[in-house]
Amino acid sequence: SQQGEEDPQALSIQEGENATMNCSYKTSINNLQWYRQNSGRGLVHLILIRSNEREKHSGRLRVTLDTSKKSSSLLITASRAADTASYFCATASEANQGGKLIFGQGTELSVKP
Amino acid sequence: ETGVTQTPRHLVMGMTNKKSLKCEQHLGHNAMYWYKQSAKKPLELMFVYNFKEQTENNSVPSRFSPECPNSSHLFLHLHTLQPEDSALYLCASSQDPGTDTQYFGPGTRLTVL
Repeated sequence: SQQGEEDPQALSIQEGENATMNCSYKTSINNLQWYRQNSGRGLVHLILIRSNEREKHSGRLRVTLDTSKKSSSLLITASRAADTASYFCATASEANQGGKLIFGQGTELSVKP
Repeated sequence: ETGVTQTPRHLVMGMTNKKSLKCEQHLGHNAMYWYKQSAKKPLELMFVYNFKEQTENNSVPSRFSPECPNSSHLFLHLHTLQPEDSALYLCASSQDPGTDTQYFGPGTRLTVL
């Protein structure tokens, strides 16, 4: 069964606005990671938050984790046209055989100039 | 982006052809992965290698044959593929398998005619 599910599937905003993407998962995790993918290219790691952390910042990115609700959110502040991409959450759990990351379907973010 | 390289970037092949995808990582990592990304579907893990040994085969058809001659190189040999195998094939590496951050290559866009 799919572990991470992002919401919304697509998001369109104006430059300068904030973008919030959510991720829900089903089983306990060691950490949750957010990745970004520009069209037709590889994924780029953005941020990793461990199960004992609640919030983490990196530049204009803010990630929160609520293990009681099994959910995470990614906030991009003061968005730019260059932030247009797909964003994926991935959950990591020692319980996953081989310790594999399980990716969600992603949120397609479009930032209009 | 130069940490993990993939060649070729684009490949068109017929159903009777044999071709190979190549991945090389320059990060000194121990684990390497092949993923398949089809339109509108989550990233699908295909194979995991740890210290050159295959530790995961995610029920992948035998027409996909991986090879890992050393910790820096990973190949995916393709033969008698089907049109539904058309997808973006992504290689990734991480320090160790499990819950570590993964670093992705740019991918090979494969089209099977």
